[in-house]
Amino acid sequence: AQKVTQAQTEISVVEKEDVTLDCVYETRDTTYYLFWYKQPPSGELVFLIRRNSFDEQNEISGRYSWNFQKSTSSFNFTITASQVVDSAVYFCALSGGGNNRKLIWGLGTSLAVNP
Amino acid sequence: NAGVTQTPKFRILKIGQSMTLQCTQDMNHNYMYWYRQDPGMGLKLIYYSVGAGITDKGEVPNGYNVSRSTTEDFPLRLELAAPSQTSVYFCASRTQGVNYGYTFGSGTRLTVV
Repeated sequence: AQKVTQAQTEISVVEKEDVTLDCVYETRDTTYYLFWYKQPPSGELVFLIRRNSFDEQNEISGRYSWNFQKSTSSFNFTITASQVVDSAVYFCALSGGGNNRKLIWGLGTSLAVNP
Repeated sequence: NAGVTQTPKFRILKIGQSMTLQCTQDMNHNYMYWYRQDPGMGLKLIYYSVGAGITDKGEVPNGYNVSRSTTEDFPLRLELAAPSQTSVYFCASRTQGVNYGYTFGSGTRLTVV
């Protein structure tokens, strides 16, 4: 069975601090995909990144970076120099390589960035 | 390009009432999904469709029905609404291929009282 665990329920930081959101996944698929989404207080789901299982390269996009390690089944997300606008719930999700590619979601990490 | 459009955005239902949540996409995606998000939780899959005329159950299908008569539309039907169906419902569609991506609607917040 597939599973995504986000152990951190809530994180509170002060603006400009760096923060890492953890994501651990379980799957028996050899091909799978990992995602991060942001859900701001307004409620919509904002796509941040998709990573394929065969591509372990880390990625940086501005203040955001992602560390994918298949050896530990982790796909962690770091925000550098956090800002108040980063306050949101962040979800990690997993889909298999099959036809339907339905998403299995973690419970989310609520990040509060305080001024 | 509107993407995925969900209507209504908000709805209050009484126990036992029925309603249909509408979802339309204009990207010609074959794959469409309905998820629900309960307070403080991640999303759970209700139903999905891999193309017109084909639907299948997800993790939490009880109390819901879907149909997919066209590529564009994927309505979700609630029969005999119950308080346990109070949730935010998201419709999504996705592209195909290795570098695929999902497009989510803005959600429907449903309260059953």
